[in-house]
Order: sequence, then structure tokens, then C-alpha cells
Amino acid sequence: AQSVAQPEDQVNVAEGNPLTVKCTYSVSGNPYLFWYVQYPNRGLQFLLKYITGDNLVKGSYGFEAEFNKSQTSFHLKKPSALVSDSALYFCAVSDTGGFKTIFGAGTRLFVKA
Amino acid sequence: GAGVSQSPRYKVTKRGQDVALRCDPISGHVSLYWYRQALGQGPEFLTYFNYEAQQDKSGLPNDRFSAERPEGSISTLTIQRTEQRDSAMYRCASSSYTGAVTQYFGPGTRLLVL
Repeated sequence: AQSVAQPEDQVNVAEGNPLTVKCTYSVSGNPYLFWYVQYPNRGLQFLLKYITGDNLVKGSYGFEAEFNKSQTSFHLKKPSALVSDSALYFCAVSDTGGFKTIFGAGTRLFVKA
Repeated sequence: GAGVSQSPRYKVTKRGQDVALRCDPISGHVSLYWYRQALGQGPEFLTYFNYEAQQDKSGLPNDRFSAERPEGSISTLTIQRTEQRDSAMYRCASSSYTGAVTQYFGPGTRLLVL
């Protein structure tokens, strides 16, 4: 069975500094990996995904994530954080079929001006 | 439509009542997913459909929960004999084709069982 771990409940970063939100996963076969963001009182929005190919995936709003197979990680990164990036971030994994998607518990990102 | 819509947005019901939650996916989207999200947690997979066929219902907690998508478009998640532990945000998502593709989420239905 697949699973996702987001080891940090909260990440605090100053505006302009780089940010990293961590995610590790467990899945049989090749993983399909996703990041979604949830702003207050809104639904989840897709940020980026890894299916195959280049380990560095670029997504919306300047975010990127690096797939590391040996460490079974898919950390979300951004070179320079904005206050508007403050939100709840979810990592998710699907098995090779890509249908059943398992989400992590989420990491709340606070970007301070 | 422009996005995934869900109704009602809020539902308050008494324990023991049945509730039906509706999801209207993006027009033409093949796959439709249901999730339950407890406060402070990530979405928990319940079930998904490709067209009208329910492909996986392994996430439904028990037999009080059921879902249908009879014409391959609108879907209804029904909870019979609701219990207080059913209180949560119920989210629907759709995707344009099957497989590991972007899921577009609706705003959710917040269910409160008293």
C-alpha cells in the first residue's frame, strides 16, 4: 500500500529566503507524485507532478520539486518565498496506475514579511 | 462548467439521518474522485469513477457510505444513518482522463452531524 509522510507540521521562512517543504513516500512500483496547495477557505489547487523523466519538476507560482528515488523523497522548493505563499501544502502519491491517490497530512507554510 | 462544483456547501444534520452530497465535475472530465478531509488532515481517498463505472471503493469507511455516477457526469455520495464521526469536509475532484493526471478539486461540502 502506498503512503506519504510530511514530517513537518509547519515551516516558517522569511520572505525572500528559499523554502523547502519535505515529503517522503512509499509505494510499490513506480510512483506518481504530486504537490497541491490549499489556501484558506478554498479548495486544493494543483502545483506540480512527477510522472517520469527529469527528476527536477517545475510547477506553478515558481515552485519546483525534486524526485529522489534512492531517498524516496519529493521535496517542494522555491528559491525566494513570498508572503502570499503562506498556505497548507499537501504531497500526494499514486501507484503506477495513477488512480488511487494518497495524500499526506499537510505542512503549513508561514512566510513572514 | 468552469470548475468542479459541489452542493450543498454546508450541511447540518442530525445523527441517524441520511445525507446526499452532490458533485458536478468539469464538463467532459472522465474521472471523478471523492475524498474526506478531517480538520487538520490531508484528504482521505474514498472512491473514484471512470465514466459511470466505480473503479475503486476501497476507501469507503463502511457500508453506510455509497457513491454513484449513473450517467458518467454528476456524482452523488450518500451517507446513510449518519454518525457524529462522519462530520468532515467531503471533497470531490475530477480529471480529464484516467491515470496520473491533475485532479481539479471542488470547494467541498462541510458536513456536521449533531
